[in-house]
Amino acid sequence: EAGVTQFPSHSVIEKGQTVTLRCDPISGHDNLYWYRRVMGKEIKFLLHFVKESKQDESGMPNNRFLAERTGGTYSTLKVQPAELEDSGVYFCASSPGLDYGYTFGSGTRLTVV
Amino acid sequence: QKEVEQNSGPLSVPEGAIASLNCTYSDRGSQSFFWYRQYSGKSPELIMSIYSNGDKEDGRFTAQLNKASQYVSLLIRDSQPSDSATYLCAVNIPPGNTPLVFGKGTRLSVIA
Repeated sequence: EAGVTQFPSHSVIEKGQTVTLRCDPISGHDNLYWYRRVMGKEIKFLLHFVKESKQDESGMPNNRFLAERTGGTYSTLKVQPAELEDSGVYFCASSPGLDYGYTFGSGTRLTVV
Repeated sequence: QKEVEQNSGPLSVPEGAIASLNCTYSDRGSQSFFWYRQYSGKSPELIMSIYSNGDKEDGRFTAQLNKASQYVSLLIRDSQPSDSATYLCAVNIPPGNTPLVFGKGTRLSVIA
């Protein structure tokens, strides 16, 4: 079974630019999550999809972040315009349902300079 | 504020010893508890889940849950240098299908 795939693995962009992160969950996993880890902090929740619907987006920092999951398959997370404080590792995870642990992707390390 | 607390460490143990990692959580209604292992520069990997009070064993790993005291622990028997990693505690905070809340993690170093 293929795992959760994230692309790109690394991204370095200038402040004010736009970056789009992509996540392909495990096939059949309806639940898709985006988390972020900023240096020295805990992994923080951003957004939860159930199929193509946003179940919970309470963790999204502001309206510069936009997530989509068209067709309930892969998801994208766009940051526009990027700010310095957006730097960190963005993890995507998927799960088949409630009470299951998550399977994480390898993450995208975003550096905004 | 719903929180999951872990001692950040580092926790150093000699090879072959038992490593004990602890986690406390703030929401008494929490039902699902998970331990993840994260090697440096890698993604978190699920190693244990526990839902009921008591112990759950899987190979060299034992998860312990005490809902009355609101703590969950992970014991690693016969620790190996390859166990050196950061261990993350994650808790499902009710109600319903809410996302896991993670602790900051405890860094474990097993000394050969």
